[in-house]
Amino acid sequence: GAVVSQHPSRVICKSGTSVKIECRSLDFQATTMFWYRQFPKQSLMLMATSNEGSKATYEQGVEKDKFLINHASLTLSTLTVTSAHPEDSSFYICSAPPPPGLAEHNEQFFGPGTRLTVL
Amino acid sequence: GIQVEQSPPDLILQEGANSTLRCNFSDSVNNLQWFHQNPWGQLINLFYIPSGTKQNGRLSATTVATERYSLLYISSSQTTDSGVYFCAFTSGTYKYIFGTGTRLKVLA
Repeated sequence: GAVVSQHPSRVICKSGTSVKIECRSLDFQATTMFWYRQFPKQSLMLMATSNEGSKATYEQGVEKDKFLINHASLTLSTLTVTSAHPEDSSFYICSAPPPPGLAEHNEQFFGPGTRLTVL
Repeated sequence: GIQVEQSPPDLILQEGANSTLRCNFSDSVNNLQWFHQNPWGQLINLFYIPSGTKQNGRLSATTVATERYSLLYISSSQTTDSGVYFCAFTSGTYKYIFGTGTRLKVLA
């Protein structure tokens, strides 16, 4: 079946630095990917939609200059957390819709997540 | 926007016990699904259940769309069932809105 990977699985960084998280569709192409954020013991919240070859669209309240999204190819989207601060510490999950015929009900494939800790 | 509330928020079971998790939504939703997030964070799709009842092994789900709720039943629970259970629906194409979640711990 289709697989979505994320790298790194966990990262610890100092306050003020930038961190890049990669989301890859391993055996299918994804013109659209989604980024979610999950704070400890909370639900997942959609941050933005990553569109291959065009600008990402951000959900209300998400700072586009802080969370830079680049969807440079049909299999890779990256999320860069710029000037990270402790309040950005969270679990970041990406997802990708399946290609036609690969999922019975068009349910998405989710990556394993990246745990970011900002000291 | 549509609110999705899950109950109970936390649940502790002894291995072998049965449980029912509930998902209430404030308006009609599309493509309701149930997910299990394991202790390592991976989301696992359990059921696509916009209406009706489905069963898969020890798990089953029922959605009554007209009354705006869905139930997830876990029978003969095992420690590997521990984690967080989310219901979710799609808003627009492929955008998931997740419920508040039920955190389940099954004790050996």
